[in-house]
Amino acid sequence: SQTIHQWPATLVQPVGSPLSLECTVEGTSNPNLYWYRQAAGRGLQLLFYSVGIGQISSEVPQNLSASRPQDRQFILSSKKLLLSDSGFYLCAWSVGRRGSDTQYFGPGTRLTVL
Amino acid sequence: AQSVTQPDIHITVSEGASLELRCNYSYGATPYLFWYVQSPGQGLQLLLKYFSGDTLVQGIKGFEAEFKRSQSSFNLRKPSVHWSDAAEYFCAVGTLGQGGGADGLTFGKGTHLIIQP
Repeated sequence: SQTIHQWPATLVQPVGSPLSLECTVEGTSNPNLYWYRQAAGRGLQLLFYSVGIGQISSEVPQNLSASRPQDRQFILSSKKLLLSDSGFYLCAWSVGRRGSDTQYFGPGTRLTVL
Repeated sequence: AQSVTQPDIHITVSEGASLELRCNYSYGATPYLFWYVQSPGQGLQLLLKYFSGDTLVQGIKGFEAEFKRSQSSFNLRKPSVHWSDAAEYFCAVGTLGQGGGADGLTFGKGTHLIIQP
């Protein structure tokens, strides 16, 4: 069966510090991978998605970047964190190219920027 | 661009009572519609989805949803709620975008469900 991992689970970082959040998927090949951010009272916002290694699409211009160095690994990064980067970051995966394909979510990373 | 509206930020229901959570979408073509549930501090779990066929969709945990094209709605229902149903509920729409349908979901802002004993 497929599983998705995210780490760390919780992170507290000062403003201006770098960030690296990791997501890995097991049990499937060539998944589509996604990063979402959930801010209080604002629902989930799609940040990045990837349909293959090295292929990254950005939905919202911002202080963050994403990379996919391996087929089942998706990394969210920042060179300098802002207060507004605080939130709950969720990674998800799916297979196929249809809008009806289900996305499966990881447990999330709670990021607090102070 | 597509959008999803969940008009109720909070809903309080007594245990054993029926539940309906509202969801309206905006999209020019046939949408793919999803309901997810999120327990505090956790990821999202799929409850059900609609992509074609029967407009009444059955999901896990006794939930169902009905797609009404004329009303652009996909409301979630449960005949009798349990205390364990207390959570955040998200409606989402998937589309056939530039990524061929792999380009992410658009979520509503969520409805927080509170269960009274």
